[in-house]
Amino acid sequence: DTAVSQTPKYLVTQMGNDKSIKCEQNLGHDTMYWYKQDSKKFLKIMFSYNNKELIINETVPNRFSPKSPDKAHLNLHINSLELGDSAVYFCASSQGREGFYNEQFFGPGTRLTVL
Amino acid sequence: KNEVEQSPQNLTAQEGEFITINCSYSVGISALHWLQQHPGGGIVSLFMLSSGKKKHGRLIATINIQEKHSSLHITASHPRDSAVYICAALSYNTDKLIFGTGTRLQVFP
Repeated sequence: DTAVSQTPKYLVTQMGNDKSIKCEQNLGHDTMYWYKQDSKKFLKIMFSYNNKELIINETVPNRFSPKSPDKAHLNLHINSLELGDSAVYFCASSQGREGFYNEQFFGPGTRLTVL
Repeated sequence: KNEVEQSPQNLTAQEGEFITINCSYSVGISALHWLQQHPGGGIVSLFMLSSGKKKHGRLIATINIQEKHSSLHITASHPRDSAVYICAALSYNTDKLIFGTGTRLQVFP
């Protein structure tokens, strides 16, 4: 059984489009995250949600909007895509509200390419 | 300069060798994570530690809070250990996770 799943795995789209990436975890975790890994393989936290409540919102353009319909899902919607948005986006989850004090479980990643 | 620095950036080893990857940080931290990113891209959490030492199989992680330094050791390395190893420091002040740039390890048979 997949613990943290993301769809799609690959996403190729034109500049200016709007797209969504979905994430689901079946671990019963309370906290979910979105990370961005750029072309230099540098990971950076974007958002963190605990029980559908936004906990962390890094300095991310407001074209990025996370949505958590329930604590098992955290989707990422991106408006007006730009070339610089091309990256691999990882979803992750962890137990409890303590966030980064607990082990994180990562999804397989979504490779977004903006043309 | 990154607040979290790893060394070396790249590391090659022969199967069976003892490996050490270093992580130094300049901020006060509450905890430190070690992650492994496989060649296929998947990321696995290896350790989360705030003091002392943790061991899991052939992997050992140590941290020295006073010296602001952590090490990841791999004993009896194997080609399947080939991956990028990433340390991430949990900032005490901001509660944010700051990632190092990773160490690419290749173990040859």
